[in-house]
Amino acid sequence: NAGVTQTPKFRVLKTGQSMTLLCAQDMNHEYMYWYRQDPGMGLRLIHYSVGEGTTAKGEVPDGYNVSRLKKQNFLLGLESAAPSQTSVYFCASTFGVGGQEDTQYFGPGTRLTVL
Amino acid sequence: GEDVEQSLFLSVREGDSSVINCTYTDSSSTYLYWYKQEPGAGLQLLTYIFSNMDMKQDQRLTVLLNKKDKHLSLRIADTQTGDSAIYFCAESPMYNTDKLIFGTGTRLQVFP
Repeated sequence: NAGVTQTPKFRVLKTGQSMTLLCAQDMNHEYMYWYRQDPGMGLRLIHYSVGEGTTAKGEVPDGYNVSRLKKQNFLLGLESAAPSQTSVYFCASTFGVGGQEDTQYFGPGTRLTVL
Repeated sequence: GEDVEQSLFLSVREGDSSVINCTYTDSSSTYLYWYKQEPGAGLQLLTYIFSNMDMKQDQRLTVLLNKKDKHLSLRIADTQTGDSAIYFCAESPMYNTDKLIFGTGTRLQVFP
């Protein structure tokens, strides 16, 4: 099992450029999440999905879009990147809810810099 | 609000005990979690506790839960340099069991 993988690991964008971050999991998890991590602010939920074909907004969804066309993949899109989106992005997935099944498995992160 | 609060930094000497504290907001949270993030990596689950428990011990880790005060703590006995990391607490709120609410994280630094 590869677990949760993220592509790319690093990226530098210019303001206004677009890009897509890919998250893939091979654990047959229903739930997937995108977070951003900024110094002193912990993890903030951007969007999440409770199953194939579904998406929902998290705490900080503005400027991002997501799609979950296949159960194993969760894509995060930035249509027009802004310097405020410079951050480390983490994807996570989980099987279900409650107890250890609620355990979120995290990818290694994508470090994005927007100039 | 959905604020899970932690102090930002903790520094301890190798061999001492570390205590990382967390206050959460939803008294009906069913499960509370501790995650560890090592430099340059994602978060990994350390341990979790069900809300009807007061304490859970797992080798060097002890989790204490005070539901009345909505306070969670993680004690690491005999702290080692390999324990240096950021520790996040998280709650699973009853009002939305689809997601976890994470704290801001506590950076633990262990010095010789």
